[in-house]
Amino acid sequence: GAGVSQSPRYKVAKRGQDVALRCDPISGHVSLFWYQQALGQGPEFLTYFQNEAQLDKSGLPSDRFFAERPEGSVSTLKIQRTQQEDSAVYLCASSLGVLGFYEQYFGPGTRLTVT
Amino acid sequence: KQEVTQIPAALSVPEGENLVLNCSFTDSAIYNLQWFRQDPGKGLTSLLLIQSSQREQTSGRLNASLDKSSGRSTLYIAASQPGDSATYLCAVGGGSARQLTFGSGTQLTVLP
Repeated sequence: GAGVSQSPRYKVAKRGQDVALRCDPISGHVSLFWYQQALGQGPEFLTYFQNEAQLDKSGLPSDRFFAERPEGSVSTLKIQRTQQEDSAVYLCASSLGVLGFYEQYFGPGTRLTVT
Repeated sequence: KQEVTQIPAALSVPEGENLVLNCSFTDSAIYNLQWFRQDPGKGLTSLLLIQSSQREQTSGRLNASLDKSSGRSTLYIAASQPGDSATYLCAVGGGSARQLTFGSGTQLTVLP
């Protein structure tokens, strides 16, 4: 596959459960971003990786949110003790370089519903 | 904090019309600006990327302009088609991570 892939595409969790969302970026892409998109809104930045290093996590809404990219390719966004306000689409994007001159390519997203 | 505004929020036009979507941003210290389309239930498809040093980019029937000093960008769609119906998002790249800050989008409907 040439694009960014995400799994699962849909996730329903009961309040209080932990969830893990996976992102497979385009092969060779150095930069990886996570965004959260609420219904009817544009995506909002959560966190950024350059290879395996998490260089910016200023957008993570609480310490229940945790992201990792241990080998510099696949990334996982984990949400602990989910709450209803966590319901959103979680988008992953990757780009080739690190200087901001490169397009970000987005995956299809994971729609999380917390009941 | 960067804020991005898109006007109008929704637009409905008959097939064949040329149209302009507007985007404004509050902080001119940007690296680039990207226009995306999003179909219902789908991810974002990149349409055009304009670097901060550029004034415009063209791809097929699409033309995007950037005026960094005034904090504005426009997306021009020529000869619109029903297949152009989607939500169009404007995003500016900035900050330490070069992350994108998005507007809320313009929902476009092209009527056959």
